Amino acid sequence: AQSVTQPDIHITVSEGASLELRCNYSYGATPYLFWYVQSPGQGLQLLLKYFSGDTLVQGIKGFEAEFKRSQSSFNLRKPSVHWSDAAEYFCAVGGYTGTASKLTFGTGTRLQVTL
Amino acid sequence: DTGVSQDPRHKITKRGQNVTFRCDPISEHNRLYWYRQTLGQGPEFLTYFQNEAQLEKSRLLSDRFSAERPKGSFSTLEIQRTEQGDSAMYLCASSLAGFYEQYFGPGTRLTVT
Repeated sequence: AQSVTQPDIHITVSEGASLELRCNYSYGATPYLFWYVQSPGQGLQLLLKYFSGDTLVQGIKGFEAEFKRSQSSFNLRKPSVHWSDAAEYFCAVGGYTGTASKLTFGTGTRLQVTL
Repeated sequence: DTGVSQDPRHKITKRGQNVTFRCDPISEHNRLYWYRQTLGQGPEFLTYFQNEAQLEKSRLLSDRFSAERPKGSFSTLEIQRTEQGDSAMYLCASSLAGFYEQYFGPGTRLTVT
């Protein structure tokens, strides 16, 4: 069964500082990996995705993530955080199960940005 | 606006009542998903449609839950005899067949009192 672990429940960074959110996955085949962001009371917005090819993927809002197969990780990074980045971030793994391409999400990391 | 829409955004109901939620996917998307998200957790898969066919249901989807997508466009999720444990955010997502990224709506927050 596929699973995702986000070890950090809550992270606080200062505005302008760099950010790295950790994600480890478990999946029996080549995974499809995603990062989503959720503002309070809102739905999820897709930040970036990895299917194959270049292991460093670029997303929206200046985010990037690196797929490391040997570590089963897909960490999200941003070189300089803005106050508007404060939100909940979810890593997800998906794969074709025969009929569904359902996503399995981690429990999320809440990002707080101090000014 | 061509995003996924959900209605209502908020629903408060008393235990034992029935509720129905609606999801309108992105117009050209033929796959539609329902997820449930409880406080402090990530979304959990409930069910999935390709066109009008419901192809997979999670064990989370008890017999009090039913989902339909009658014409392969919008979908409804009904919960009968609601329980306090049903309080959650219900999220709808859509995608194109052959594409794995899913696009989410704003969700319907259900509170059962």
